[in-house]
Amino acid sequence: EPEVTQTPSHQVTQMGQEVILRCVPISNHLYFYWYRQILGQKVEFLVSFYNNEISEKSEIFDDQFSVERPDGSNFTLKIRSTKLEDSAMYFCASSAQGTAGNTIYFGEGSWLTVV
Amino acid sequence: GEDVEQSLFLSVREGDSSVINCTYTDSSSTYLYWYKQEPGAGLQLLTYIFSNMDMKQDQRLTVLLNKKDKHLSLRIADTQTGDSAIYFCAERNRDDKIIFGKGTRLHILP
Repeated sequence: EPEVTQTPSHQVTQMGQEVILRCVPISNHLYFYWYRQILGQKVEFLVSFYNNEISEKSEIFDDQFSVERPDGSNFTLKIRSTKLEDSAMYFCASSAQGTAGNTIYFGEGSWLTVV
Repeated sequence: GEDVEQSLFLSVREGDSSVINCTYTDSSSTYLYWYKQEPGAGLQLLTYIFSNMDMKQDQRLTVLLNKKDKHLSLRIADTQTGDSAIYFCAERNRDDKIIFGKGTRLHILP
């Protein structure tokens, strides 16, 4: 079964450093998402991306965050200057269609620990 | 605003049925989902139901949707130790956003 893959599975970084989390969505999918889950809390929406631009973002997704689809297969989340509170599991997801579609598939997540 | 609520813990004896309940507030939800998260792992899509259905069965899993009461449940028949995980209820709203509940931790008693 096709799946969303994410790298790295775990990254430890120092506060203030830049981090890039990578995702390879399912190949025929057009809609891409990032979610995050702080330990013990809800999974929260960060951003959705379609047709090479952000379609929606949450209030969490401030100027420190950016997303990019640098080529036909990867979808990245960059955190410019990490803070302690950015420590979380970051999930990438993709879907074939938007509101008319069926399901959103999630990757296994990238654990980010900021020290 | 939109919200998804579910109880935080459930303990069930091995072999019994588990029923995890969820309520949501957004009546415009298009799809409702159950995701499973095992310790240290990612989100695994277990099953989903379109909002115009009231039941879906998939092997040991039965999803019931009461759209009038905005209530969703997941029944796991013959619960096994491998079912021990956190189960997230989620809704997909018309803005294509998935809103998750806090998750129900299912604990299996021997």
